[in-house]
Formats: sequence, structure tokens, C-alpha cells
Amino acid sequence: GAGVSQSPSNKVTEKGKDVELRCDPISGHTALYWYRQSLGQGLEFLIYFQGNSAPDKSGLPSDRFSAERTGGSVSTLTIQRTQQEDSAVYLCASSPPPGTSGLYETQYFGPGTRLLVL
Amino acid sequence: GDSVTQMEGPVTLSEEAFLTINCTYTATGYPSLFWYVQYPGEGLQLLLKATKADDKGSNKGFEATYRKETTSFHLEKGSVQVSDSAVYFCALSGETGNQFYFGTGTSLTVIP
Repeated sequence: GAGVSQSPSNKVTEKGKDVELRCDPISGHTALYWYRQSLGQGLEFLIYFQGNSAPDKSGLPSDRFSAERTGGSVSTLTIQRTQQEDSAVYLCASSPPPGTSGLYETQYFGPGTRLLVL
Repeated sequence: GDSVTQMEGPVTLSEEAFLTINCTYTATGYPSLFWYVQYPGEGLQLLLKATKADDKGSNKGFEATYRKETTSFHLEKGSVQVSDSAVYFCALSGETGNQFYFGTGTSLTVIP
């Protein structure tokens, strides 16, 4: 079946502009994660959605970052007034509902959006 | 806070060599531990996992044992192949399952 998809695959923007990154999780997956992968760094957790519960936003680096998930499916990560240090690959992952054949903790990653802020 | 430290790369090995990629963690309670792999041009995918102490995760000839006494989850493979060339990430999930903490990744290149 279809995996996690992300769009755009690449985005070049100018400093100060806003950008929106989209994630389409696997159908039926209730959990959705956003991560940031900077050059030479590991994956940095940004935000986590689980079903209709309030999201865990503890990883968002500043108030310029926000994310929403509409209808428990598609998610959009928005970065306002982008800065050069925001340049990174933004990864989205989704997980099936808890207790699904023991797969609760397995994340399925999308291909990422490579963001470059000039 | 919770964190993962894995050995820095890059690592270059000849085909059929033995592989070890070290990973240690810091966590409260009883985390679950994972190895993810990212093949060239592909997204991250789960390689193996262990959810409690002394568990051994295994897949595709790779193994890792959850060692609580040494807070480690080292990845091993007895005989690597060229197709194993990838970046390997160690990760942990806290008890709530909400957050995952990833290491910085170790790049492995296997040469024929």
C-alpha cells in the first residue's frame, strides 16, 4: 500500500518568508510525528499527534514553528519568518494505533522535505 | 532528559567483515530501543527493536541486545555485504511512547 508521502520534496525560500510543509500519513495510522534533520545532526523531534488528543509540541524550537493535523489525517508544518538556520530536511512519520499487532512503536517515515532558506 | 549517543562515522568495511556500531542511552524508566536504517535515496525504516532488558532484536542478519546494566544497544552483524551500505540510527522511545530520541547516525560503507 501507499507509504507516508510528503510535499514538496524540495523547497527553496528567502529568509523571512513563510513556508508550509505537508505530510500525508499512511491511512489508518493514528500517530503522526514531525522531525528535523540538520546536516551532521541526528533527528530532532518537533511535534507529535495521536488521534484526537492534544498534540505534544514540546520539541518545537520556537514560536515561529506550528503544526496542525486536520481530520486526524493530513498534517501541515508551518514555519513563519524563516531563518537560514531552519534549513534542514523535515521528516514526517506515522504509526498505527496502539496494540496493532505489536506495531505501536514502529514509525513509518516519509521521504522528507529538503528546505533551503537563502 | 532522555538521549542517545552513537559512535561517529563514517565507517568503511570490506565485504564479509564484522560490524559493530555502538549505541548508549540515557533515560528514565524503561525505554524501548530501536535501530533505524536509511539506505541511499530512501526514507528511514525500522531495522530492529527491543522493548525490555535482555531482549535481542534481530533482522537481516543484524542483532542488538538491550543491556540495562550498561545502558547500551550495540548493533552487530557478523558478515556485512555491499548492500548494507547505509546510515544507521539508534533511537529510544520513552515510556509514554510519545517522543523518540535519535542518535546522530552512523554512515556505513561496505566495499567489495
